[in-house]
Amino acid sequence: QKEVEQNSGPLSVPEGAIASLNCTYSDRVSQSFFWYRQYSGKSPELIMSIYSNGDKEDGRFTAQLNKASQYVSLLIRDSQPSDSATYLCAVNDRDSSYKLIFGSGTRLLVRP
Amino acid sequence: DAMVIQNPRYQVTQFGKPVTLSCSQTLNHNVMYWYQQKSSQAPKLLFHYYDKDFNNEADTPDNFQSRRPNTSFCFLDIRSPGLGDAAMYLCATRRQYSTDTQYFGPGTRLTVL
Repeated sequence: QKEVEQNSGPLSVPEGAIASLNCTYSDRVSQSFFWYRQYSGKSPELIMSIYSNGDKEDGRFTAQLNKASQYVSLLIRDSQPSDSATYLCAVNDRDSSYKLIFGSGTRLLVRP
Repeated sequence: DAMVIQNPRYQVTQFGKPVTLSCSQTLNHNVMYWYQQKSSQAPKLLFHYYDKDFNNEADTPDNFQSRRPNTSFCFLDIRSPGLGDAAMYLCATRRQYSTDTQYFGPGTRLTVL
């Protein structure tokens, strides 16, 4: 059973702080990793994708991948109340290149 | 500018009354997906198409059917909705490869009375 695990939260941080969201996955040979943001009642939207070990930065967002430890994380710098949402980690299913395996998401709350 | 469009955005149906949800895309992507998402849960894949090739998930109930008449359109049919089928239904598309982004539509919120 391939799994993607996330802490459900809520993760509460003050405005301006760094929010750190973590995700672990069970399939060692997974190659593609995605972070989606989902506001309540809305559909997921892609924040970051990462495919190789190390860090990938895009504005206030940094994705970090460590394949040896099978974890991927998302850092949000200078957190804003508008960042309050559920963040879904998704990993490509190696048995079907078309399918993503989603974690159940971490709810982030940024306090003004 | 909408790339993945779902209609209707909100659907109310009665227990056992068939319902059809639609999805269209302007991206010309090969792959189209239907997910079911309930509150505080991960999106659950029901089925997907690669072009016209249909792929059903093993645990998708027979009550759920799908059609993809052309590249742009895909439909989800729920033959006899039960109370447990109330959820957000998400359509998504993806070009082809594992590194390609999967784009979601805005979703259809289904209520079953």
